Parts: sequence; C-alpha cells; structure tokens
Amino acid sequence: GDSVTQMEGPVTLSEEAFLTINCTYTATGYPSLFWYVQYPGEGLQLLLKATKADDKGSNKGFEATYRKETTSFHLEKGSVQVSDSAVYFCALSLNTNAGKSTFGDGTTLTVKP
Amino acid sequence: NAGVTQTPKFQVLKTGQSMTLQCAQDMNHEYMSWYRQDPGMGLRLIHYSVGAGITDQGEVPNGYNVSRSTTEDFPLRLLSAAPSQTSVYFCASSYSRTGGTYGYTFGSGTRLTVV
Repeated sequence: GDSVTQMEGPVTLSEEAFLTINCTYTATGYPSLFWYVQYPGEGLQLLLKATKADDKGSNKGFEATYRKETTSFHLEKGSVQVSDSAVYFCALSLNTNAGKSTFGDGTTLTVKP
Repeated sequence: NAGVTQTPKFQVLKTGQSMTLQCAQDMNHEYMSWYRQDPGMGLRLIHYSVGAGITDQGEVPNGYNVSRSTTEDFPLRLLSAAPSQTSVYFCASSYSRTGGTYGYTFGSGTRLTVV
C-alpha cells in the first residue's frame, strides 16, 4: 500500500537557522504530494503542494521539490522564525482519489529565540 | 466564511452512548473525509466520500458510520462509544482537476473523550 515516512522529531532550532525535514514515500500510482502544518490547538493547514515530478511547491518561505527518482519531497526553509514552531505533516494523494490521503506521523519543530 | 465547519468542538461521552459529529463545507468540493488524530500515530482515515451518495471505508472504519446525502454535509456517527475512540476528529474536503489533486481544507476538529 501507499506510505509516507518522515524524519523523526522533535526538531529544535535557533531563530534564523536552516530547516530541512525529510519525507520519502511509496505509492502504487502517481501521487500528488503535500506538506501540511498544524499549530497548537488547531486543525491542519495546507502549506504547499506539488502535482508532478520536478515541480517545486513554495509558500511562506518554505519549499519542497517533487523528486520522483528518489521518491522524496523534503521540506526546506532558509531562515526559520519562532512563529514557525508547529507540527509538519507530509502527505500524498493519488490523482484518482483526492479523498484518500496518506499522512506521515508528523515532525514537531520548535524554534527558539 | 468559506471552509469546513465541524461541530461540536468538544464532547464527553459515556461508554455505550451514540452521537453524531457534524461536518459541512461550502466550497462545492466533491471529496470529503474523516480522520482521527492520536498521539504518535499521525492521522488515520476513518471514512471518505467521492461525491453525494458515495462513501467508502478507510483504514480504521470499525465503530463508525457515515452518509453523504448532499455535497455539503458529511456527518460521522459513533454507534456505541468506547474508550478507544477517545481522539481528535478532523473532517476535510478536497477536489481534483486534470493533472492532480489540490490538497485538503480541514475543519478545526472535535476533541472527543469517552469515559
């Protein structure tokens, strides 16, 4: 079946540090890939997406590139802020069924001033 | 405001009670899904729908029922609550177009405790 594996957390960084959260996937078909963010006490929000190989999704300074050859979709940000502290989820959805996504276990990021 | 609305936000049930978690979206999305979120286990899919009148089971469907009579509404029914159903429940909607899917819009969640 489909699966998503994220780097284990928690991750603690100082403000302005570089962030990478690794994500790899396996899929039986051709998926779209997503990163979601969950702030404390809230629901998940779509952060960025990519629908085909070599696409780069970007939003709020975060970026991720769809790498089909390595089945990866790593999340990066050049300079994190305290307000980026949250849980980040990598997910995939097959293009034939947008109602059935598979999520990674989430990575907790804490950014210290 | 456009989006996914879930009610209630908090609920405490006694073992054996039944209840319905409500979910409504106003974006005309064809896909709707229910997930539960438990510590250390990420999000697990309970049931989903690909359109009005069509539902299917996800990874953890036992103890839950759904129906989708309209595009907007997708209620989740707990038939006989058990402590193992203590969790945070999220409803989400999505759509797809030629070339890919566009990600979920999530509701704010229902925190359910079964005692």
